Amino acid sequence: QVQLQESGPGLVKPSQTLSLTCTVSGGSISSGEYYWSWIRQPPGKGLEWIGYIYYSGSFYYNPSLKSRVAISVDTSRNQFSLRLSSVTAADTAMYYCARENVLERTHIAPTYYFYMDVWGKGTTVTVSS
Amino acid sequence: DIVMTQTPLSSPVTLGQPASLSCRSSQSLVHSDGYTYLSWLQQRPGQPPRLLIYKVSNRFSGVPDRISGSGAGTDFTLKISRVEAEDVGVYYCMQASQFPRTFGQGTKVEIK
Repeated sequence: QVQLQESGPGLVKPSQTLSLTCTVSGGSISSGEYYWSWIRQPPGKGLEWIGYIYYSGSFYYNPSLKSRVAISVDTSRNQFSLRLSSVTAADTAMYYCARENVLERTHIAPTYYFYMDVWGKGTTVTVSS
Repeated sequence: DIVMTQTPLSSPVTLGQPASLSCRSSQSLVHSDGYTYLSWLQQRPGQPPRLLIYKVSNRFSGVPDRISGSGAGTDFTLKISRVEAEDVGVYYCMQASQFPRTFGQGTKVEIK
């Protein structure tokens, strides 16, 4: 059973860089069937997709955060990480890492899914001086 | 970006009664491969989201059959045939037909 666990500082000062890591256990991050994603949820609000990284290093970021976001992958440690620069109070949120199931390879042709089936428990990040 | 709009924002339901949640997208969610990548997730209080439905109507592993999804194009529905206490939470639709992935604002299901 694959599990994800977020880790990182719970408090970040304004204008600094938020850094979080997601550790994948029970499965390999190098599996080609998944995107590894970050999603956040401000207090009392809805979900916002931040971006994903593939084991090969390819990625896609939400254009609304693109200038401040970097997501990286470390296959040797089975981890992927989020960096969000120049943070403000608006970046205060619960940050989740999640696995997006992209496809299943079959003998005929791949079947595509694009759903988020495994989520970490989340980590709260507060931006405050 | 595709905007996902959910209605109602709150749905008080009597135990044992049905609930119907709506999700509308600002453009068609039919992907170039012909499939529609619309999911429903449930978030119980204090917990991360949990996948319920994928590709409009496919129930994920472990999801009870009283929960079902339907729809096409830009209009989608999640139905709970008989609401139980464990169904309390916020339900989100999410589209994965295009980047960036986008979520609806959520519908809160609560017991009357």
